[in-house]
Amino acid sequence: DGGITQSPKYLFRKEGQNVTLSCEQNLNHDAMYWYRQDPGQGLRLIYYSQIVNDFQKGDIAEGYSVSREKKESFPLTVTSAQKNPTAFYLCASSILRGSFSNEQFFGPGTRLTVL
Amino acid sequence: AQSVTQPDIHITVSEGASLELRCNYSYGATPYLFWYVQSPGQGLQLLLKYFSGDTLVQGIKGFEAEFKRSQSSFNLRKPSVHWSDAAEYFCAVGGLMEYGNKLVFGAGTILRVKS
Repeated sequence: DGGITQSPKYLFRKEGQNVTLSCEQNLNHDAMYWYRQDPGQGLRLIYYSQIVNDFQKGDIAEGYSVSREKKESFPLTVTSAQKNPTAFYLCASSILRGSFSNEQFFGPGTRLTVL
Repeated sequence: AQSVTQPDIHITVSEGASLELRCNYSYGATPYLFWYVQSPGQGLQLLLKYFSGDTLVQGIKGFEAEFKRSQSSFNLRKPSVHWSDAAEYFCAVGGLMEYGNKLVFGAGTILRVKS
């Protein structure tokens, strides 16, 4: 079955450590996205990529980094510069590059907790 | 500021009762409109979407939504709620040139169903 996988489901990090969240899709979608979800704030866009080897900052990119070396993969690194990283992270993908008019398909999410 | 507003943070309805979740947006052009549902600790699932045409759209799980241009609204409805509908619901807009074509989410409405 086609879909988006995120791993791990739960991740614990000590302060000062970088961690990388995995996102893989086999839907052959061009565009991929990373969102952060905090209670009562909806989803906020961290980074997005419309094509391999290219990505753009979203609304809250500070303290995060991404790469897009393969169409199927869009890993997110939460760096030690992110002051409040504890949150639920969602990865999504969509068919069209250059447009957010098409629906986005979401992965199951990764819950990151900083100890 | 341009935004997507879901005025109700929490809604509680009895099983079998009707449901309406409100969504308003403050963009000048008619955006693409989406409703997503999220069960606790899970990703988002698309319920329905509106791009153009008939302003009453049908979705999965018996949900429907009506786009009202004059009110800048896209309210989600269900005639008879089931206990399994308890979840968080997000309204989202996309296809907006002035917002970089990003998908913008409301803060969400948590639905509780009482038996």
